[in-house]
Amino acid sequence: KQEVTQIPAALSVPEGENLVLNCSFTDSAIYNLQWFRQDPGKGLTSLLLIQSSQREQTSGRLNASLDKSSGRSTLYIAASQPGDSATYLCAVSKQTGANNLFFGTGTRLTVIP
Amino acid sequence: DAGVTQSPTHLIKTRGQQVTLRCSPISGHKSVSWYQQVLGQGPQFIFQYYEKEERGRGNFPDRFSARQFPNYSSELNVNALLLGDSALYLCASSLLWGTGELFFGEGSRLTVL
Repeated sequence: KQEVTQIPAALSVPEGENLVLNCSFTDSAIYNLQWFRQDPGKGLTSLLLIQSSQREQTSGRLNASLDKSSGRSTLYIAASQPGDSATYLCAVSKQTGANNLFFGTGTRLTVIP
Repeated sequence: DAGVTQSPTHLIKTRGQQVTLRCSPISGHKSVSWYQQVLGQGPQFIFQYYEKEERGRGNFPDRFSARQFPNYSSELNVNALLLGDSALYLCASSLLWGTGELFFGEGSRLTVL
């Protein structure tokens, strides 16, 4: 069974700092990996999608990398802002490509002004 | 364009009751998935529907059922509610089955007393 782990569980950083969030998964036979943002009590906002054949994706201040063979992904946030404060979740889908995502428990990020 | 819409946003039920949650996917999207998110955890996959057929089911009891309508909207039904069913229920849509990026709604917060 696929298990997804996110470290750290919580992170506080001062505004302007660059930071890295980590995600690891036990079964490397994935179709893709997706990073989401979740504000308290709200739904999930898709940030980046990396196909299994890709190594990284970038969107603005966000950069996500994927090392499928080692079962790891990182989300890099540059020049953090208070508005980045949220829980960040990574999720992987199975090799068959079905929309059955396996989620980690998330990293709760607080950016201090 | 409207995103994924879910209703109701909040509801309170008592043990043993039944609940129906509704979801409208993004216009043009044909696949709908349902997830349960217990407080402090990542979402867990319940069902996926594509073209009105069930395409996947997670590890949930038969008290959980769903269906998809000709207009691709979906309903999730939960019978004989238990306290442990209290959670945020998230609906996600995607353009096709198994092609990757999921877009989530804001969720329906269910509290079972």
